[in-house]
Amino acid sequence: DIQLTQSPSFLSASVGDRVTITCRASQAIASYLAWYQQKPGKAPNLLIYAASTLQTGVPSRFSGSGSGTEFTLTISSLQPEDFAAYYCQQLYTYPYTFGQGTKLDIK
Amino acid sequence: QVQLVQSGAEVKKPGASVKVSCRASGYMFATNYIQWVRQAPGQGLEWMGIINPSGGRTNYAQKFQGRITVTSDTSRRTLYMELSSLTSEDTAVYYCARDREVRKVSGLDPWGQGTLVTVSS
Repeated sequence: DIQLTQSPSFLSASVGDRVTITCRASQAIASYLAWYQQKPGKAPNLLIYAASTLQTGVPSRFSGSGSGTEFTLTISSLQPEDFAAYYCQQLYTYPYTFGQGTKLDIK
Repeated sequence: QVQLVQSGAEVKKPGASVKVSCRASGYMFATNYIQWVRQAPGQGLEWMGIINPSGGRTNYAQKFQGRITVTSDTSRRTLYMELSSLTSEDTAVYYCARDREVRKVSGLDPWGQGTLVTVSS
């Protein structure tokens, strides 16, 4: 199975900060990577697909980059509603594994 | 709008089975793959399996092989995920989610609201 390792696992930041979350794959997955945001008690919400394409309706402060084995999710200027958990998922080969998650909270 | 509505919470005893349903609306049912994902309390997301509703072809995570069955009823526009031989480790919220692209995989949107399955004696 392909392992996805997110770093950091926990991140404290302030409103207005620029933050970056990394997702590393144990083998190359081209651009078959998606990013999700999950708020407590809610289902995940798709932010980015194909590593760098913004899902319709997602604010432009979110961006994704990378290919192969290293990927990043960047939030350019944190807003109060962005404090949540973030997960990457590879869709290159079965099983379509998830990273362990990054919890972003308010400093 | 595209929507997935799941069945309600379940409480099961160890060794029992559970069957969670996921009713789809707002799009052509057979065109998008559906994935099943679970989340244990306080934990991350865990991929369980995928079904192509057109034809019913499935693929399951090795961890669940032999215990999971995912099916599709096109007449009811409903997907089902059945998990057998439950243990306390299966206590989790179970989600169905539709791939955003027709006949491809690229990312899951939307997701069902989740179904809490509690396994307790």
